[in-house]
Parts: sequence; C-alpha cells; structure tokens
Amino acid sequence: SQTIHQWPATLVQPVGSPLSLECTVEGTSNPNLYWYRQAAGRGLQLLFYSVGIGQISSEVPQNLSASRPQDRQFILSSKKLLLSDSGFYLCAWSARYDTQYFGPGTRLTVL
Amino acid sequence: DAKTTQPPSMDCAEGRAANLPCNHSTISGNEYVYWYRQIHSQGPQYIIHGLKNNETNEMASLIITEDRKSSTLILPHATLRDTAVYYCIVSNLYNQGGKLIFGQGTELSVKP
Repeated sequence: SQTIHQWPATLVQPVGSPLSLECTVEGTSNPNLYWYRQAAGRGLQLLFYSVGIGQISSEVPQNLSASRPQDRQFILSSKKLLLSDSGFYLCAWSARYDTQYFGPGTRLTVL
Repeated sequence: DAKTTQPPSMDCAEGRAANLPCNHSTISGNEYVYWYRQIHSQGPQYIIHGLKNNETNEMASLIITEDRKSSTLILPHATLRDTAVYYCIVSNLYNQGGKLIFGQGTELSVKP
C-alpha cells in the first residue's frame, strides 16, 4: 500500500531564516505531488503541484519554492521566512487522474 | 475561488445519520464531486467521490442530484470520532494536475 511521509511534524523558525520541508511517497511510481498550506482557521490553499521530476507548477506567487529532485520526493523551500509563512503545510499525492491522499502535515511557526 | 457552498456548521446526535449538503451549481460535465474531512490538526482524509451516480463505501454514501447541482454526504451512524470539518470539492482530474480547491467546509459536531 502507499504511504506518504512529511517531516518535520512541527517547526519553529525565526523570521529571515531558510526553510526546507520534505515529503516522500512510498509504494507508487510517477505520482502527482502537491503542496498545500492552511493558514488561520480552515480552508487549504494549493501552493504547488508536480506531474513529474523537475516539473513544478506554482499556483500562488509567494515567498516559497518547490522542487522535485526524485520521482517520489517533493521539497518546499524558502530562502527567507516571513511571519505570514506560518501555517500548516500539507503534502498530497495522487496516481495519474485519481484521488489525492494527504500526509500528516508540518506545523510551521515563524517568530 | 471555491466552486461549492456548504453550511459553516452542523450538529448531529451520536448514532444518528449525519446529512451534509453541498451546492455546486456551476459544476461542469467532467468534474467530479469529492468529499474530504479534516480532524483537528491532521491532514485531510479522503471519504468518497462521484461523477453522477450515487456512491457508497465503508465510510459514507454520496447522493448527487440528477442535475448535478448539489449533493449530500451521508454518514449513516455518526460517532464522536466523526467530529471534523467536512469539505465538498469539485474537480476535473484531467485539468491542471487534478488540483483540489478547498472552501471553508462544514464543521460537524457529533454530540453524545
């Protein structure tokens, strides 16, 4: 069966520091991968999605970037964090043209 | 912008059926209706999806109206563990990587 991992689970970072969040998927090949952010309250916002290695689509202009160095690895990065980057970051995967499944998330607090 | 409308909150008695409505009046012919739920501080959990026929699985039933402009998620025997925010989403799997656009959802409280 397929499993999606995210780490770290929680992170506290100072403003201006860099960020790297990692997501990996097991048990499947060539998945679509997604990064979402959930800020205050509820409602998720899609940040990036990828349909293959090195193929990244950005949904919202922001202080973040994404990379997909390997088939089942998706990384979310920032060179300098802002207060507004705080939130709950969720990675998701799907087989081609199929249901998305979410990871456990990383809760980021920028101070 | 979310393409669905849901009530912000609902209550349900434990053991009773929970019926969560969703309006999606602008749904396109190739868009599916998806339901996810999110328990506090966890990632969203997939529940069920459908195109135009009613669907049932071990978690829930999905009833889609004939004109496809609205749907209802039914949890047949709600338990306290079903307390969560429920999201109704319409999505075209073949467009832009099959991305999901989440709205504010319905906060379901199951009470003893």
